[in-house]
Amino acid sequence: DGGITQSPKYLFRKEGQNVTLSCEQNLNHDAMYWYRQDPGQGLRLIYYSQIVNDFQKGDIAEGYSVSREKKESFPLTVTSAQKNPTAFYLCASSIRGLMDMNTEAFFGQGTRLTVV
Amino acid sequence: AQSVTQLDSQVPVFEEAPVELRCNYSSSVSVYLFWYVQYPNQGLQLLLKYLSGSTLVESINGFEAEFNKSQTSFHLRKPSVHISDTAEYFCAVDGSARQLTFGSGTQLTVLP
Repeated sequence: DGGITQSPKYLFRKEGQNVTLSCEQNLNHDAMYWYRQDPGQGLRLIYYSQIVNDFQKGDIAEGYSVSREKKESFPLTVTSAQKNPTAFYLCASSIRGLMDMNTEAFFGQGTRLTVV
Repeated sequence: AQSVTQLDSQVPVFEEAPVELRCNYSSSVSVYLFWYVQYPNQGLQLLLKYLSGSTLVESINGFEAEFNKSQTSFHLRKPSVHISDTAEYFCAVDGSARQLTFGSGTQLTVLP
């Protein structure tokens, strides 16, 4: 089955610790994205990557870091610099073809991070 | 820059009644428009999309949305809702930024 896998589903960390959220896709998609979801605020873009070894900051990148060493993987690290890290994090991917055809994004099931 | 406005954060409606969830967007270029649905503690699933062609698009579970360029809207409608339609719905636009921009979401609650 093709899809996007986020792990773990629930994650608890102590304040001041870095934590890495996993996102893997086997859809052969070029583009991958990380969003943060808070109640009443919709989805806000943290980072996105159009190709391997390249990524760009989204609207709320401060306190986060990413890497894109493989097409299939786009892990997100929530650093201790992120002031309010408790949230629901969603990873997504989409096709970016030669004609730059826009298609829908496919989402993982999310990781709920709680920092205590 | 592109943006999406979902005018209603909460929409309660009785079962079998019609519903409309409103979405307006702003963009300086041609756009692609999407509606996603999210059930509790899950990721988003695509409901329907407008890329080109007919301005009226439909989903397999009875929802439809109409792209109105002059009003920059993409409202979602269903003539008769079911309890199982209770979820949060997100409108999104994909324009020249090559990234999806989401609205703040509308919680649809279907009451028995």
